[in-house]
Amino acid sequence: AQSVTQLGSHVSVSEGALVLLRCNYSSSVPPYLFWYVQYPNQGLQLLLKYTSAATLVKGINGFEAEFKKSETSFHLTKPSAHMSDAAEYFCAVRETGANSKLTFGKGITLSVRP
Amino acid sequence: DTAVSQTPKYLVTQMGNDKSIKCEQNLGHDTMYWYKQDSKKFLKIMFSYNNKELIINETVPNRFSPKSPDKAHLNLHINSLELGDSAVYFCASSSKGGSYEQYFGPGTRLTVT
Repeated sequence: AQSVTQLGSHVSVSEGALVLLRCNYSSSVPPYLFWYVQYPNQGLQLLLKYTSAATLVKGINGFEAEFKKSETSFHLTKPSAHMSDAAEYFCAVRETGANSKLTFGKGITLSVRP
Repeated sequence: DTAVSQTPKYLVTQMGNDKSIKCEQNLGHDTMYWYKQDSKKFLKIMFSYNNKELIINETVPNRFSPKSPDKAHLNLHINSLELGDSAVYFCASSSKGGSYEQYFGPGTRLTVT
């Protein structure tokens, strides 16, 4: 069975600092991996996805993530945080197969200090 | 252009009532989903339909019944609402094949009093 672990519930960084949000997954087959962002009172927006092509994936708003099979990780990074990055971030895994489901991590809240 | 839309955005109702949430997508996707997000923001899939056929049915009380009149619509009907049903319900859709990335609606915040 697939699962996602996002350690911690809250990360706080200063504006301009590096953002690092961790995600580890378990899957019996090579998975698809996703990062979604949820701004307050809004739906989820796809930030980026890994689909077995390049292991370093670039997404929107300057975010990127690196797939590391040996570590079963898919950590999200951004070199320089902006106030507008404050939101809830979800990592998700989906096994290949037409009827597989998307399994989310519990999410992590990113706060950005001025 | 709204890709995935839901109505209503807010729904406040009393215990025991029956209510419906509607979802529509204009992305031409074949698959639609309902998720429940609880007060701790944990997201869990409830149902998935592919071209009007139910393909995922998680452990959800029978009081919840999805209905897909066509592949662009997936409605959620809830009977005999309980306090524990209070949550944000998200509709999503995805295309068949490729990476199956899902596009989410804005959510419906259901409050049962």
